[in-house]
Amino acid sequence: GAGVSQTPSNKVTEKGKYVELRCDPISGHTALYWYRQSLGQGPEFLIYFQGTGAADDSGLPNDRFFAVRPEGSVSTLKIQRTERGDSAVYLCASSLTGGLADTQYFGPGTRLTVL
Amino acid sequence: AQSVAQPEDQVNVAEGNPLTVKCTYSVSGNPYLFWYVQYPNRGLQFLLKYITGDNLVKGSYGFEAEFNKSQTSFHLKKPSALVSDSALYFCAVRGATGGFKTIFGAGTRLFVKA
Repeated sequence: GAGVSQTPSNKVTEKGKYVELRCDPISGHTALYWYRQSLGQGPEFLIYFQGTGAADDSGLPNDRFFAVRPEGSVSTLKIQRTERGDSAVYLCASSLTGGLADTQYFGPGTRLTVL
Repeated sequence: AQSVAQPEDQVNVAEGNPLTVKCTYSVSGNPYLFWYVQYPNRGLQFLLKYITGDNLVKGSYGFEAEFNKSQTSFHLKKPSALVSDSALYFCAVRGATGGFKTIFGAGTRLFVKA
């Protein structure tokens, strides 16, 4: 079956611009996660959705970052006034129920470069 | 606070030899532990997880991991390494008091030499 997909695969933008990153989870998965992975680091948790609601957004670094999941399926991560430090690979994952023991399945990521 | 440490940036092993990639963790309460592998230009792939029960967990591609509660470790192992196992490996932990966050280690790069 289809896995988690993310678009675009690469995004190059200029400092100060607005970007949107999209995630399509595995069909039927109620939980969706966003992570950020900088070079040489492990993924860093950003936000977790259970259905349409953000159950934990404690990892969002500041108010320039925002994410939505209006219909409980596709999610969009939005970054306003991008900064060079936002350059990273943004990973999306989904899991069946969101329970602690749930396996998360990751998409291929979106590589964001802020010039 | 939850944390994961992967003390080795890189592990080198000859093909056919056993391999171990180390992971230690810190979490309040019972840990839920995961190993993922990342190949170049690809997303993270799930290998195995420990929830409860047997301390030796078997996973994909012949990998296994041993949970040691007293040493707070969850080392990844494989009896006989393949060149195709060369990749970046991540250990991760979730705990009941950490909410829904999954904390990942910094990763260990495994090189298997033919």
